[in-house]
Amino acid sequence: GDSVTQMEGPVTLSEEAFLTINCTYTATGYPSLFWYVQYPGEGLQLLLKATKADDKGSNKGFEATYRKETTSFHLEKGSVQVSDSAVYFCAVSGGSNYKLTFGKGTLLTVNP
Amino acid sequence: DGGITQSPKYLFRKEGQNVTLSCEQNLNHDAMYWYRQDPGQGLRLIYYSQIVNDFQKGDIAEGYSVSREKKESFPLTVTSAQKNPTAFYLCASSNSHGYTFGSGTRLTVV
Repeated sequence: GDSVTQMEGPVTLSEEAFLTINCTYTATGYPSLFWYVQYPGEGLQLLLKATKADDKGSNKGFEATYRKETTSFHLEKGSVQVSDSAVYFCAVSGGSNYKLTFGKGTLLTVNP
Repeated sequence: DGGITQSPKYLFRKEGQNVTLSCEQNLNHDAMYWYRQDPGQGLRLIYYSQIVNDFQKGDIAEGYSVSREKKESFPLTVTSAQKNPTAFYLCASSNSHGYTFGSGTRLTVV
């Protein structure tokens, strides 16, 4: 089945630092790739997505590029803010049943 | 506004009791899902349903049951057979454009 491996946290950065959270996946066919964000005590919100190779998803200063050759979808942001502190999940959706398979999540803490 | 409603937000039950978590959506999505979240484990799929009156087991279905009698509703029952039921439970629905998640129910069994 599908699987996702993402960088284990926790990750602690200072405000305005550069962020990278690595994510690699295994899936058959042509999966779609997602990054979700979860704030404390809440559900998941879609941060960005990419549906085919070489697509770049972007939102709120975050970016990730679908790299089929390296089966990767790394999340990046050039300058993080305190408000970006949250848990970030990489996910893959393949096949015809639209099931999402998640990585274990990466806790990001941004200090002022 | 369309969305998914999970209730209650917090739920406490005694060990050995069955408990049902509610999930309702008004997005007209065909597919619905239940995930369990534990610290450091990510989200694991319990059950999913692609159409009314049909559902499939996910990766960790043992000790859980579901029903899908209406398109809008996908309740999850945590039975006494579930060995470690204390967790955060998330419901989701989807169509071809993407997924929407509820805000979750935190179940604590004492």
